[in-house]
Amino acid sequence: SSELTQDPAVSVALGQTVRITCQGDSLRSYYASWYQQKPGQAPVLVIYGKNNRPSGIPDRFSGSSSGNTASLTITGAQAEDEADYYCNSRDSSGNHLAFGGGTKLTVL
Amino acid sequence: QVQLQESGPGLVKPSETLSLTCTVSGGSISSYYWSWIRQPPGKGLEWIGYIYYSGSTNYNPSLKSRVTISVDTSKNQFSLKLSSVTAADTAVYYCARLPGGYDILTGQPLDYYMDVWGKGTTVTVSS
Repeated sequence: SSELTQDPAVSVALGQTVRITCQGDSLRSYYASWYQQKPGQAPVLVIYGKNNRPSGIPDRFSGSSSGNTASLTITGAQAEDEADYYCNSRDSSGNHLAFGGGTKLTVL
Repeated sequence: QVQLQESGPGLVKPSETLSLTCTVSGGSISSYYWSWIRQPPGKGLEWIGYIYYSGSTNYNPSLKSRVTISVDTSKNQFSLKLSSVTAADTAVYYCARLPGGYDILTGQPLDYYMDVWGKGTTVTVSS
């Protein structure tokens, strides 16, 4: 089982706002990063650090954190945002890398 | 920009050793950490381990007894060996870069995110 916990599936209406969460003890001390993965493709980094977007990632993607929960928010979800989203950070020991189990986002 | 390409056999027999190489192009392997991640069919991502260009490593505790990651700076490559494979090791294997830099206090990466990924290579374990 993963040390970072994500809801398996989330849905959002086109153009609405959705929040995908990641919970874990390590998130009280370390930032989470977020990846988008579409079928048959490699993951793509969308958020890292406090709330940083790599070049080319739309500004509708944002990140936040509170306590043991990190969140990825998509403001105005588009059809092309339908994908699996994974969080990653350190594990509870702080010495190893860990991924969340992933959240499948459906845009209705 | 930096690109990563995984290579290696797509089919490995049970109990044998899986060997993959990641070639870094468009940039130097130096001054970065490099990681292997895998994804079994229909499942999530699993971190395997990472290596600093100098050779220091860190492995997933659940795989540590079977994993070796090495680096060849002269070839701009790093490699994965996973021994005693079973069908549970069937997965898409990705290599990726950790850009966060070296923390001199801990000897670990400053950040644990991965900004560049290879396209992945499918490895099937079957006789």
